[in-house]
Amino acid sequence: EVVLVETGGSLIQPGGSLRLSCAASGFTVSSNYMGWVRQAPGKGLEWVSLIYIGGNTYYGDSVKGRFTISRDNSKNTAHLQMNSLRAEDTAVYYCARGKYCGSGCVYFDYWGQGALVTVSS
Amino acid sequence: QTVVTQEPSFSVSPGGTVTLTCGLSSGSVSTSDYPSWYRQTPGQAPRTLIYNTNTRSSGVPDRFSGSILGNKAALTITGAQADDESDYYCMLYMGSGISMFGGGTKLTVL
Repeated sequence: EVVLVETGGSLIQPGGSLRLSCAASGFTVSSNYMGWVRQAPGKGLEWVSLIYIGGNTYYGDSVKGRFTISRDNSKNTAHLQMNSLRAEDTAVYYCARGKYCGSGCVYFDYWGQGALVTVSS
Repeated sequence: QTVVTQEPSFSVSPGGTVTLTCGLSSGSVSTSDYPSWYRQTPGQAPRTLIYNTNTRSSGVPDRFSGSILGNKAALTITGAQADDESDYYCMLYMGSGISMFGGGTKLTVL
């Protein structure tokens, strides 16, 4: 059974840093695409970041240069390092497993339950 | 900047059929945009319904189908049930590894 569990969400001050983790079970992170999607309170889903099997990484415009996606194959875990946090980064962050759909496209097939990040002073 | 568009809200009667659409602020949606569809109920994680335009994810009933209708991607729900009441999101591949979600459609069954 595929299970994704996010940890690391908390209240953080603007300008601060936070690292989210996504522990995977039922599959191997290193052989799959892994992504992060966020949802601000009362808002829709926003695509945040993706790491390919080969290690290439991609980011949405709103987080580019501030967030870094990575994975730890030894712990079967993906991470999202978030720096220079802003109030508008407040959201539930979902980890998701990706599957290749063609021509560079990746869709998400399994989702974690999410971790709440609140950026406020 | 290109925006993925969805109807903000839609309603359907129990047992009825509804088609939700997913478009682009500039241009048409095609199978090359690899539309996928997700549903989400309040407080829950999203669930994958459709990928690659019209392929149902594992365990998704065949009441849910995806297609291209005109210049948009479409999600059709037939025989709507009360528990289909959810938020529905489409996602399109924008190229260069990046995808984008639409704003979501809140579906009411009444």
